[in-house]
Amino acid sequence: KNQVEQSPQSLIILEGKNCTLQCNYTVSPFSNLRWYKQDTGRGPVSLTIMTFSENTKSNGRYTATLDADTKQSSLHITASQLSDSASYICVVSANSRGSYIPTFGRGTSLIVHP
Amino acid sequence: GAVVSQHPSWVICKSGTSVKIECRSLDFQATTMFWYRQFPKQSLMLMATSNEGSKATYEQGVEKDKFLINHASLTLSTLTVTSAHPEDSSFYICSARPGQWGPEAFFGQGTRLTVV
Repeated sequence: KNQVEQSPQSLIILEGKNCTLQCNYTVSPFSNLRWYKQDTGRGPVSLTIMTFSENTKSNGRYTATLDADTKQSSLHITASQLSDSASYICVVSANSRGSYIPTFGRGTSLIVHP
Repeated sequence: GAVVSQHPSWVICKSGTSVKIECRSLDFQATTMFWYRQFPKQSLMLMATSNEGSKATYEQGVEKDKFLINHASLTLSTLTVTSAHPEDSSFYICSARPGQWGPEAFFGQGTRLTVV
């Protein structure tokens, strides 16, 4: 069964600090891994998309890593801002006969305090 | 980037009535659209996959007669919650995928449904 586990479930940090969110998955056959940011009451917004051959990808203050061997990914947020407060969702897609089937993690709720 | 518009953003309806939610891809054609629901502090749960011009594929446990999906054009899919009940209150999100085989999907902003 395809599964995506995220940790921690919630995280509180002070503004300006860095943090790292984790995503472990058992999805096969692996196609891609995406990190989304979801503000309360809004739809998810894509931060990064990573394929099997990519180890690191950055998007501004967000840096995602992928270790396809251990099936782990992390999302590192640098110099956090109040606007980073949101839920961060890891989505791993399997490629089944050309169709991409996503499995969602439960998300990590990040709160950035001033 | 690709934009997906979902309407309405929120809706309150009486128990027993039906509610229609629209999902539009504004600047691309979406052969496939997905509908999700999300309960508070829970992950997104895929309800159904909608393909233009054909019947939607529903996930196990999702009642197709209750959640009617229509994907009549390459830019519009609708989800109708029929005979809504308070337990149908949830956050519904659609996503659309440009092209038939592409991995990327873009999300709408979601619809908060409250059934009273």
